[in-house]
Amino acid sequence: NAGVTQTPKFQVLKTGQSMTLQCAQDMNHNSMYWYRQDPGMGLRLIYYSASEGTTDKGEVPNGYNVSRLNKREFSLRLESAAPSQTSVYFCASSEMAGASYEQYFGPGTRLTVT
Amino acid sequence: AQSVTQLGSHVSVSEGALVLLRCNYSSSVPPYLFWYVQYPNQGLQLLLKYTSAATLVKGINGFEAEFKKSETSFHLTKPSAHMSDAAEYFCAVSGRRGNEKLTFGTGTRLTIIP
Repeated sequence: NAGVTQTPKFQVLKTGQSMTLQCAQDMNHNSMYWYRQDPGMGLRLIYYSASEGTTDKGEVPNGYNVSRLNKREFSLRLESAAPSQTSVYFCASSEMAGASYEQYFGPGTRLTVT
Repeated sequence: AQSVTQLGSHVSVSEGALVLLRCNYSSSVPPYLFWYVQYPNQGLQLLLKYTSAATLVKGINGFEAEFKKSETSFHLTKPSAHMSDAAEYFCAVSGRRGNEKLTFGTGTRLTIIP
């Protein structure tokens, strides 16, 4: 099992460009999450999907959109990138949405917006 | 809403010495508490979690944490540090209701001195 995979690993964008970060899991998990990690701020939840067909905003959703394409895949889209979106993005999945269920993290995507 | 505070953004210990990473939580009711570890250029991995069974929780790689309600603390310890413990450690908290999400602390970077 690959677990949670993310593509790309690195990306540089110019301000105003758009891109989609891809995430897939092969653990048959129902719930998936997108976080961003910034120095000194820990991880902050951007969006999550409790189950296939549902998505909800997290703590910092502005400037992002998500799509739960199917049970395996959950993508994060930046429509018009801004320097403030320079960050490391992590996708995670869990069997169910409750916090008692362990979240499994992907290796991250390092995004720089110039 | 729940929150956690990690005291000390950087901690250095000698190889073989005690590791103590501090985490205090804020919650009106006993929450779920977690410790995650992030090795360089990797995603987060669950070390251990407290979900109200035993107050002393044992995790992977020899780590353990004790839930102390009177002190609102969930400090992470390991009796003898190993070079491979060098990483960033995140404390996280969640409420106990069905769909609650994790809130992460700002992280503590652990350095092991040979």
